[in-house]
Amino acid sequence: NAGVTQTPKFQVLKTGQSMTLQCAQDMNHEYMSWYRQDPGMGLRLIHYSVGAGITDQGEVPNGYNVSRSTTEDFPLRLLSAAPSQTSVYFCASSPRTGGGDGYTFGSGTRLTVV
Amino acid sequence: AQRVTQPEKLLSVFKGAPVELKCNYSYSGSPELFWYVQYSRQRLQLLLRHISRESIKGFTADLNKGETSFHLKKPFAQEEDSAMYYCAARNFGNEKLTFGTGTRLTIIP
Repeated sequence: NAGVTQTPKFQVLKTGQSMTLQCAQDMNHEYMSWYRQDPGMGLRLIHYSVGAGITDQGEVPNGYNVSRSTTEDFPLRLLSAAPSQTSVYFCASSPRTGGGDGYTFGSGTRLTVV
Repeated sequence: AQRVTQPEKLLSVFKGAPVELKCNYSYSGSPELFWYVQYSRQRLQLLLRHISRESIKGFTADLNKGETSFHLKKPFAQEEDSAMYYCAARNFGNEKLTFGTGTRLTIIP
């Protein structure tokens, strides 16, 4: 049971480049979300999904796109990378019922935009 | 607006001393409260949730609705407690978690 798997672990991008951060979970969780972690700012919600085909914006969605074509996968796309998007990105999932143990997190992707 | 506040960015405590990490929340209704911990170079993991009322690794947290607080406490700090701690909240039946800005706890040997 892998839990939540994020790839890549590290990435360096040039300003203006695009890329996709991958997130996959094997727990049949309906809810998935993306956070970015910045020093002094905690974790801020970028986008989330309550099930396949349904996505919504979080607190800091600008510059990011998501899609949810399957229950398992929730990729995060950076359309045109900017230095302000240098951060550590975490994917998380949980059952839709909202109970239980809260979120299961991935190991994170450390992104640097130069 | 829903908000979780952790007033201390950094906290240093001597080994064996008591630890208290503060968390205050501003939420409509009665939210669920959580503490997550992130050890060095590891993923975030759940430490406590208020509805379970259990003690994990010697930590406890009591929900005080009057003060809208959910402070994390441990009577005797250990070196392995050094980590980043996040308080988080969500409304019952809603999956969206709001996190505080985190407190980095350092235990001094």
